Amino acid sequence: GQQLNQSPQSMFIQEGEDVSMNCTSSSIFNTWLWYKQDPGEGPVLLIALYKAGELTSNGRLTAQFGITRKDSFLNISASIPSDVGIYFCAGGSQGNLIFGKGTKLSVKP
Amino acid sequence: KAGVTQTPRYLIKTRGQQVTLSCSPISGHRSVSWYQQTPGQGLQFLFEYFSETQRNKGNFPGRFSGRQFSNSRSEMNVSTLELGDSALYLCASSPPSGGVSSEAFFGQGTRLTVV
Repeated sequence: GQQLNQSPQSMFIQEGEDVSMNCTSSSIFNTWLWYKQDPGEGPVLLIALYKAGELTSNGRLTAQFGITRKDSFLNISASIPSDVGIYFCAGGSQGNLIFGKGTKLSVKP
Repeated sequence: KAGVTQTPRYLIKTRGQQVTLSCSPISGHRSVSWYQQTPGQGLQFLFEYFSETQRNKGNFPGRFSGRQFSNSRSEMNVSTLELGDSALYLCASSPPSGGVSSEAFFGQGTRLTVV
């Protein structure tokens, strides 16, 4: 079946650092979505991408829909403490939305 | 505009019992999807309803079922509960122009614990 490989699984950030994460698949998707989930809450939609090559920003967040339609990345610039949480990518096609396993962002001790 | 509302937020049930979870989508959204989230398996798609009809279905046993009412509100039912059904159950609604593979807006979830 369709699977998404999301990396890294976890990372530690220091305030002010830029962060990058990505999702890859062997399947083609028509939609790429990026979500953030805080503990005990549902995922919150950050960015939605609908066209191959599309680059979209939402404040300090930037995401791109890969040209091959098999991958997407999310960048967070100048991270702040409230950026901690779990980020999920999701690929959509043919009435199905597949989620990556998530990237857990924590603050460097 | 109110978001997706799920009730109850927390639930504890005994093995063998059945449970019904409720979801009210964002006003105007007709597509409602259900997901199971566990630490081991992540977010897994259960099913999607649109205009009171199940439009898509994930790979879950028949113990998991759902329905949608004419006002787009949806319920999910799990019968003969097993310990492995303990999870966060999330409902998501999508705008009229899309479906389960487009923008999905999630509720806060129902945390089900089976003991």
